[in-house]
Amino acid sequence: NAGVTQTPKFQVLKTGQSMTLQCAQDMNHEYMSWYRQDPGMGLRLIHYSVGAGITDQGEVPNGYNVSRSTTEDFPLRLLSAAPSQTSVYFCATQVLPQANTEAFFGQGTRLTVV
Amino acid sequence: AQTVTQSQPEMSVQEAETVTLSCTYDTSESDYYLFWYKQPPSRQMILVIRQEAYKQQNATENRFSVNFQKAAKSFSLKISDSQLGDAAMYFCAYRLSSYSGAGSYQLTFGKGTKLSVIP
Repeated sequence: NAGVTQTPKFQVLKTGQSMTLQCAQDMNHEYMSWYRQDPGMGLRLIHYSVGAGITDQGEVPNGYNVSRSTTEDFPLRLLSAAPSQTSVYFCATQVLPQANTEAFFGQGTRLTVV
Repeated sequence: AQTVTQSQPEMSVQEAETVTLSCTYDTSESDYYLFWYKQPPSRQMILVIRQEAYKQQNATENRFSVNFQKAAKSFSLKISDSQLGDAAMYFCAYRLSSYSGAGSYQLTFGKGTKLSVIP
């Protein structure tokens, strides 16, 4: 059982390049989200989705786009990477609507923008 | 907006001893959940323990227990009989418990406490 799979695990980008971080889940969870983790900042929500075709912004959405065409996939796109986007990115999923259920996290993607 | 504060960026504990990690939060809601997550060097986020705000009884999971003080908005984690494998970053997190819209599922995290275990 794969759970939540993020690819790639590591990536180095040049300023201005674009890329997509992939997140796939096989648990049929409606809720999917992206967080970024920076030293001394904890995890902050970038974007989230409550189902296919529905997305919304979190706390730090600038510079990122998302789409949700299927229940399983929730890619995060950086259209023009900036050094400020150097971070570790986590995808997380959860069953709806029970709020007491555990959020499941992927292994994270360490992104460096030079 | 809800905020979560972890005032101890780093802590250390001797193996087999007990350590308490602090967490305070700010919310105007009365019904919510609190969580402690562990992040070892592998980066994996692991749920350690959860507490439902409407329950007065403190949650426990083996060597991990919490001291939940709702009026004081405090949620500390106690690790008993510390083991080398407990060394990790620990995050306190908050989430609303009632589904009042998609945004209510957001987890709000503290900045984390790095725990070192001394052999």
